[in-house]
Amino acid sequence: KAGVTQTPRYLIKTRGQQVTLSCSPISGHRSVSWYQQTPGQGLQFLFEYFSETQRNKGNFPGRFSGRQFSNSRSEMNVSTLELGDSALYLCASRRDTQTSYEQYFGPGTRLTVT
Amino acid sequence: KNEVEQSPQNLTAQEGEFITINCSYSVGISALHWLQQHPGGGIVSLFMLSSGKKKHGRLIATINIQEKHSSLHITASHPRDSAVYICAAHTPGAQKLVFGQGTRLTINP
Repeated sequence: KAGVTQTPRYLIKTRGQQVTLSCSPISGHRSVSWYQQTPGQGLQFLFEYFSETQRNKGNFPGRFSGRQFSNSRSEMNVSTLELGDSALYLCASRRDTQTSYEQYFGPGTRLTVT
Repeated sequence: KNEVEQSPQNLTAQEGEFITINCSYSVGISALHWLQQHPGGGIVSLFMLSSGKKKHGRLIATINIQEKHSSLHITASHPRDSAVYICAAHTPGAQKLVFGQGTRLTINP
Protein backbone atom coordinates (compact mmCIF):
# COMPACT_ATOMS: atom_id res chain seq x y z
CA LYS A 1 0.00 0.00 0.00
CA ALA A 2 1.44 3.40 -0.94
CA GLY A 3 2.30 5.75 1.91
CA VAL A 4 1.32 9.36 2.43
CA THR A 5 2.70 11.57 -0.31
CA GLN A 6 3.29 15.30 -0.24
CA THR A 7 4.09 17.65 -3.08
CA PRO A 8 6.19 19.56 -3.64
CA ARG A 9 9.01 18.41 -1.38
CA TYR A 10 10.84 21.71 -1.45
CA LEU A 11 9.63 25.20 -2.19
CA ILE A 12 11.15 28.66 -2.12
CA LYS A 13 8.81 31.64 -2.07
CA THR A 14 9.11 35.37 -1.55
CA ARG A 15 7.52 37.29 1.30
CA GLY A 16 3.99 38.37 0.38
CA GLN A 17 3.38 35.51 -2.03
CA GLN A 18 0.99 32.64 -1.44
CA VAL A 19 1.65 28.91 -1.55
CA THR A 20 -0.39 25.73 -1.88
CA LEU A 21 0.84 22.40 -0.57
CA SER A 22 -0.72 19.05 -1.39
CA CYS A 23 -1.13 15.83 0.58
CA SER A 24 -2.41 12.47 -0.66
CA PRO A 25 -3.33 10.14 2.21
CA ILE A 26 -3.05 6.39 2.33
CA SER A 27 -5.88 4.74 0.42
CA GLY A 28 -8.86 4.26 2.70
CA HIS A 29 -7.76 6.92 5.17
CA ARG A 30 -10.33 9.67 5.53
CA SER A 31 -8.65 11.93 8.08
CA VAL A 32 -5.81 14.25 7.12
CA SER A 33 -4.00 16.46 9.61
CA TRP A 34 -1.45 19.17 8.91
CA TYR A 35 1.45 20.17 11.14
CA GLN A 36 4.10 22.87 11.05
CA GLN A 37 7.59 22.20 12.35
CA THR A 38 10.06 25.00 13.08
CA PRO A 39 13.29 24.96 15.09
CA GLY A 40 11.85 27.40 17.60
CA GLN A 41 8.33 26.07 18.12
CA GLY A 42 8.77 22.41 17.28
CA LEU A 43 5.79 20.54 15.87
CA GLN A 44 2.44 22.31 16.02
CA PHE A 45 -0.99 21.22 14.89
CA LEU A 46 -2.48 23.30 12.09
CA PHE A 47 -5.79 21.63 11.25
CA GLU A 48 -7.53 18.35 10.56
CA TYR A 49 -9.91 17.46 7.78
CA PHE A 50 -12.35 14.60 7.65
CA SER A 51 -14.87 13.96 4.88
CA GLU A 52 -14.15 17.34 3.28
CA THR A 53 -14.85 19.20 6.54
CA GLN A 54 -12.41 20.93 8.82
CA ARG A 55 -12.87 19.16 12.12
CA ASN A 56 -10.20 20.80 14.26
CA LYS A 57 -8.01 23.86 14.02
CA GLY A 58 -4.86 24.92 15.83
CA ASN A 59 -3.82 28.41 16.87
CA PHE A 60 -2.68 29.79 13.55
CA PRO A 61 -3.77 33.00 11.82
CA GLY A 62 -6.39 33.01 9.09
CA ARG A 63 -3.63 33.17 6.45
CA PHE A 64 -3.39 29.42 6.92
CA SER A 65 -6.26 27.54 5.34
CA GLY A 66 -6.94 24.16 3.89
CA ARG A 67 -9.44 21.95 2.20
CA GLN A 68 -10.11 18.32 1.52
CA PHE A 69 -11.47 16.79 -1.64
CA SER A 70 -13.90 13.92 -2.07
CA ASN A 71 -10.99 11.51 -2.67
CA SER A 72 -9.54 12.57 0.73
CA ARG A 73 -6.62 14.41 -0.83
CA SER A 74 -5.96 17.65 1.01
CA GLU A 75 -4.35 20.96 0.26
CA MET A 76 -3.20 23.69 2.56
CA ASN A 77 -2.73 27.28 1.53
CA VAL A 78 -0.72 30.03 3.13
CA SER A 79 -1.39 33.54 1.87
CA THR A 80 0.74 36.67 2.30
CA LEU A 81 3.79 34.67 3.29
CA GLU A 82 6.00 35.92 6.11
CA LEU A 83 9.60 34.98 6.86
CA GLY A 84 8.39 33.14 9.94
CA ASP A 85 6.35 30.77 7.78
CA SER A 86 9.58 29.06 6.73
CA ALA A 87 9.13 25.57 8.10
CA LEU A 88 8.67 21.90 7.37
CA TYR A 89 4.98 21.22 6.73
CA LEU A 90 3.90 17.68 7.45
CA CYS A 91 0.65 15.97 6.80
CA ALA A 92 -0.52 12.76 8.38
CA SER A 93 -3.42 10.49 7.58
CA ARG A 94 -5.36 8.00 9.61
CA ARG A 95 -8.24 5.67 9.01
CA ASP A 96 -10.38 7.36 11.64
CA THR A 97 -12.42 4.71 13.30
CA GLN A 98 -13.35 5.12 16.95
CA THR A 99 -10.27 3.19 18.04
CA SER A 100 -7.86 4.10 15.27
CA TYR A 101 -5.51 6.79 16.49
CA GLU A 102 -2.41 5.73 14.57
CA GLN A 103 -1.18 8.42 12.23
CA TYR A 104 1.01 7.94 9.18
CA PHE A 105 3.18 10.87 8.25
CA GLY A 106 4.22 12.07 4.83
CA PRO A 107 7.79 13.15 4.03
CA GLY A 108 6.97 16.83 4.42
CA THR A 109 7.27 19.94 2.30
CA ARG A 110 10.13 22.23 3.26
CA LEU A 111 9.07 25.82 2.61
CA THR A 112 11.61 28.61 2.61
CA VAL A 113 10.35 32.19 2.53
CA THR A 114 12.89 34.83 1.49
CA LYS B 1 4.52 24.86 31.04
CA ASN B 2 4.13 22.68 27.96
CA GLU B 3 1.38 20.09 28.00
CA VAL B 4 3.89 17.42 26.91
CA GLU B 5 7.40 17.53 28.33
CA GLN B 6 10.30 15.34 27.30
CA SER B 7 13.64 14.71 28.94
CA PRO B 8 16.44 14.87 28.22
CA GLN B 9 16.45 17.33 25.31
CA ASN B 10 19.79 16.00 24.10
CA LEU B 11 21.41 12.66 24.76
CA THR B 12 24.77 11.35 23.57
CA ALA B 13 25.77 7.78 24.26
CA GLN B 14 28.17 5.09 23.11
CA GLU B 15 27.11 2.23 20.90
CA GLY B 16 25.66 -0.59 22.95
CA GLU B 17 24.35 1.53 25.81
CA PHE B 18 20.80 1.26 27.14
CA ILE B 19 18.86 4.44 26.36
CA THR B 20 15.83 5.88 28.15
CA ILE B 21 13.82 8.88 27.01
CA ASN B 22 11.04 10.17 29.24
CA CYS B 23 7.76 11.89 28.47
CA SER B 24 5.35 13.48 30.94
CA TYR B 25 2.01 14.93 29.95
CA SER B 26 -0.60 17.01 31.70
CA VAL B 27 -3.49 16.58 29.26
CA GLY B 28 -6.00 13.78 29.07
CA ILE B 29 -5.09 11.37 26.32
CA SER B 30 -6.71 8.79 24.08
CA ALA B 31 -3.27 7.46 23.15
CA LEU B 32 0.38 8.42 23.32
CA HIS B 33 2.66 8.19 20.31
CA TRP B 34 6.41 7.82 20.06
CA LEU B 35 7.78 9.15 16.79
CA GLN B 36 11.22 9.05 15.22
CA GLN B 37 12.52 11.78 12.95
CA HIS B 38 15.75 11.42 11.00
CA PRO B 39 17.67 14.32 9.41
CA GLY B 40 15.75 15.32 6.30
CA GLY B 41 12.50 15.47 8.21
CA GLY B 42 10.53 12.28 7.61
CA ILE B 43 8.63 11.08 10.67
CA VAL B 44 8.03 7.44 11.44
CA SER B 45 5.56 6.29 14.05
CA LEU B 46 7.31 3.85 16.40
CA PHE B 47 4.60 3.11 18.93
CA MET B 48 1.10 4.06 19.88
CA LEU B 49 0.17 3.27 23.47
CA SER B 50 -2.89 3.65 25.60
CA SER B 51 -1.75 1.34 28.40
CA GLY B 52 1.02 -1.00 29.47
CA LYS B 53 4.03 -1.81 27.38
CA LYS B 54 4.92 -2.51 23.76
CA LYS B 55 8.10 -3.96 22.27
CA HIS B 56 9.42 -3.89 18.73
CA GLY B 57 12.88 -5.25 18.20
CA ARG B 58 15.27 -3.30 20.41
CA LEU B 59 12.69 -0.66 21.22
CA ILE B 60 10.37 -0.79 24.21
CA ALA B 61 7.72 1.77 25.15
CA THR B 62 5.87 1.91 28.43
CA ILE B 63 3.12 4.11 29.77
CA ASN B 64 1.78 4.74 33.27
CA ILE B 65 -1.64 6.33 32.90
CA GLN B 66 -2.01 7.18 36.60
CA GLU B 67 1.33 9.01 36.67
CA LYS B 68 0.87 10.49 33.17
CA HIS B 69 4.30 9.31 32.17
CA SER B 70 5.76 7.30 29.33
CA SER B 71 9.26 6.05 28.56
CA LEU B 72 10.97 4.92 25.40
CA HIS B 73 13.86 2.50 25.88
CA ILE B 74 16.43 1.41 23.32
CA THR B 75 18.50 -1.65 24.13
CA ALA B 76 21.93 -2.28 22.56
CA SER B 77 21.89 1.16 20.92
CA HIS B 78 23.44 1.57 17.48
CA PRO B 79 24.60 4.64 15.53
CA ARG B 80 21.63 4.17 13.18
CA ASP B 81 19.37 4.92 16.17
CA SER B 82 20.65 8.52 16.06
CA ALA B 83 17.57 10.65 15.44
CA VAL B 84 15.12 12.95 17.16
CA TYR B 85 12.51 11.09 19.21
CA ILE B 86 9.23 12.84 19.82
CA CYS B 87 6.36 11.90 22.07
CA ALA B 88 2.92 13.14 21.19
CA ALA B 89 -0.35 12.98 23.09
CA HIS B 90 -3.48 12.26 21.14
CA THR B 91 -6.12 14.32 22.90
CA PRO B 92 -9.69 13.01 23.09
CA GLY B 93 -12.46 15.21 21.81
CA ALA B 94 -10.20 17.60 19.94
CA GLN B 95 -8.64 14.62 18.16
CA LYS B 96 -5.29 16.28 17.66
CA LEU B 97 -1.67 15.56 18.53
CA VAL B 98 0.16 17.68 21.10
CA PHE B 99 3.90 17.24 20.77
CA GLY B 100 6.83 17.23 23.12
CA GLN B 101 9.85 19.25 22.13
CA GLY B 102 11.80 16.18 21.08
CA THR B 103 14.94 14.43 22.29
CA ARG B 104 17.97 14.53 20.02
CA LEU B 105 19.79 11.20 20.41
CA THR B 106 23.32 10.68 19.13
CA ILE B 107 24.91 7.25 19.35
CA ASN B 108 28.65 7.25 18.79
CA PRO B 109 30.41 4.16 17.46
